[in-house]
Amino acid sequence: GENVEQHPSTLSVQEGDSAVIKCTYSDSASNYFPWYKQELGKRPQLIIDIRSNVGEKKDQRIAVTLNKTAKHFSLHITETQPEDSAVYFCAAKGEKLTFGTGTRLTIIP
Amino acid sequence: DGGITQSPKYLFRKEGQNVTLSCEQNLNHDAMYWYRQDPGQGLRLIYYSQIVNDFQKGDIAEGYSVSREKKESFPLTVTSAQKNPTAFYLCASSMGGRNTGELFFGEGSRLTVL
Repeated sequence: GENVEQHPSTLSVQEGDSAVIKCTYSDSASNYFPWYKQELGKRPQLIIDIRSNVGEKKDQRIAVTLNKTAKHFSLHITETQPEDSAVYFCAAKGEKLTFGTGTRLTIIP
Repeated sequence: DGGITQSPKYLFRKEGQNVTLSCEQNLNHDAMYWYRQDPGQGLRLIYYSQIVNDFQKGDIAEGYSVSREKKESFPLTVTSAQKNPTAFYLCASSMGGRNTGELFFGEGSRLTVL
């Protein structure tokens, strides 16, 4: 089955700096890669996703890149703000969706 | 107001008791899922259902059971066979199919075994 590894497990950045979270996956048949944000005490919510026929996707301050050959994908957040503080999960979907173990991002004011 | 509703939000259970967590959605989604969330372990799939009257085991199905008698409902029973049931349980739904992936999550149910 699919195995998704996510790094780092915790990340602290100064407000205004960029944050990068990286994931690798094992199943070459996976074709959909979403990122979810879970604020403290709340449900996970989709923030951005990418399909395997695209190498990069951007939505305002958030971007995701995908390298199918290397089987890794990354989340980039620029100009970080305090409300970006949350746990972020990557996931990969082949037959079913498999999540990474999460990254706790803390933005330091 | 469309969405996915889980109940109860908090639940306490004695060892040896079965407990059922409710999950209802009015999004007209075909697929429904149950995940377990533990600190440092992400979201692990317990069971999923892509259509009424059909469901499949996820990665950690032992000690759990589900049913899917109605499209809107996907209850999860945590049985006494589950060795470490204390956790946060999340239900989710999606449109289903191979090309749609966004999951819509409920607010979760926190189960504590005393």
